[in-house]
Amino acid sequence: GNSVTQMEGPVTLSEEAFLTINCTYTATGYPSLFWYVQYPGEGLQLLLKATKADDKGSNKGFEATYRKETTSFHLEKGSVQVSDSAVYFCALRKPGNQFYFGTGTSLTVIP
Amino acid sequence: EAQVTQNPRYLITVTGKKLTVTCSQNMNHEYMSWYRQDPGLGLRQIYYSMNVEVTDKGDVPEGYKVSRKEKRNFPLILESPSPNQTSLYFCASSLGLAGGIGSNEQFFGPGTRLTVL
Repeated sequence: GNSVTQMEGPVTLSEEAFLTINCTYTATGYPSLFWYVQYPGEGLQLLLKATKADDKGSNKGFEATYRKETTSFHLEKGSVQVSDSAVYFCALRKPGNQFYFGTGTSLTVIP
Repeated sequence: EAQVTQNPRYLITVTGKKLTVTCSQNMNHEYMSWYRQDPGLGLRQIYYSMNVEVTDKGDVPEGYKVSRKEKRNFPLILESPSPNQTSLYFCASSLGLAGGIGSNEQFFGPGTRLTVL
């Protein structure tokens, strides 16, 4: 079957710390991979994406590389800010357009 | 402004009383979808639609119905709501895909918090 597994939170970091949120997936075929961010009281927003193996998605200082050999799509940022505090979701979209989301990882950045 | 709107934003109802949550998008998107978000479970897809009159089940379709009579609207219908359908619901839309493979961004609505007593 298809599924996404994310590291459990919550994660609390100091400002300017390095962030990694692990994401691994199980999928048939060749899915596209996404990271979405949800700020309090809002819907999800696309953060970055990758459509094939070895693609690197990046946006707002966040990066993630589609690793087919390890079925992973870990999210990283070199220096987090207080404004990065949110819930982060890893997701896959399999051919046929069904989506699968991880359970979300809550990040709090303290000054 | 390009957006996905949902109504109502908050709803408290009782078991068995039929309800509809509306979803509308103004971006001429072919693809629309409904999700529910529950603590510890993340988002789970309920139904999705590739275009008008085309709908498919997601991971958790039981107890829900949808329709897609117009491109812009994708209502979610609970014929006989039960307490286990208490959740936060999101509608989303994106451009359609050629060949079924792609990375088009999904735009999410603001969410509807439903409580079934």
